[in-house]
Amino acid sequence: GQQVMQIPQYQHVQEGEDFTTYCNSSTTLSNIQWYKQRPGGHPVFLIQLVKSGEVKKQKRLTFQFGEAKKNSSLHITATQTTDVGTYFCAGDAGGTSYGKLTFGQGTILTVHP
Amino acid sequence: EAGVAQSPRYKIIEKRQSVAFWCNPISGHATLYWYQQILGQGPKLLIQFQNNGVVDDSQLPKDRFSAERLKGVDSTLKIQPAKLEDSAVYLCASSLLGALGYTFGSGTRLTVV
Repeated sequence: GQQVMQIPQYQHVQEGEDFTTYCNSSTTLSNIQWYKQRPGGHPVFLIQLVKSGEVKKQKRLTFQFGEAKKNSSLHITATQTTDVGTYFCAGDAGGTSYGKLTFGQGTILTVHP
Repeated sequence: EAGVAQSPRYKIIEKRQSVAFWCNPISGHATLYWYQQILGQGPKLLIQFQNNGVVDDSQLPKDRFSAERLKGVDSTLKIQPAKLEDSAVYLCASSLLGALGYTFGSGTRLTVV
């Protein structure tokens, strides 16, 4: 079945440093979504990427979808303590699996003030 | 709009006992999902409903897990009998067909002792 891998598993940064997490799927995706889960909380939808090579920005967050639609990345510029949490990518293979998301294991981000 | 409601928030049971979780999705969301999130891992899909029909239950351990969505609104997930490895957070999510992202509930944290 479809597998989604994320690296790194953990990332510790000083406030103000940049952060990047990478996501790779074993199969071509229809779309990829990113979620943030605060400690003790539930996943919250951040963004969806659909097109090959697509780049989207949300303030300090930049999301990319690879040309082959099998990988993605999330980059945070100048991290803040409010960025702390686990960032998950989730792939939708489309077709008969449309709407069914396979989540990566997440990257846990800690930010030291 | 109101979010996805789940209850209870926490449940502790002994192994071999039964337990049930309840979910009320966002009004008008036809698609409902149950995910299992084991500590330190990404959410894993258990079952997907479209209205009151099952779309995908391929990862639901059907010897002990069951789920229903009567009238296409509320849903219940049941485990009988529970095992120690069922300790996890059970997340319910809903979405509009074709819309962006899932909305997750706060989850039910199950501890099996």
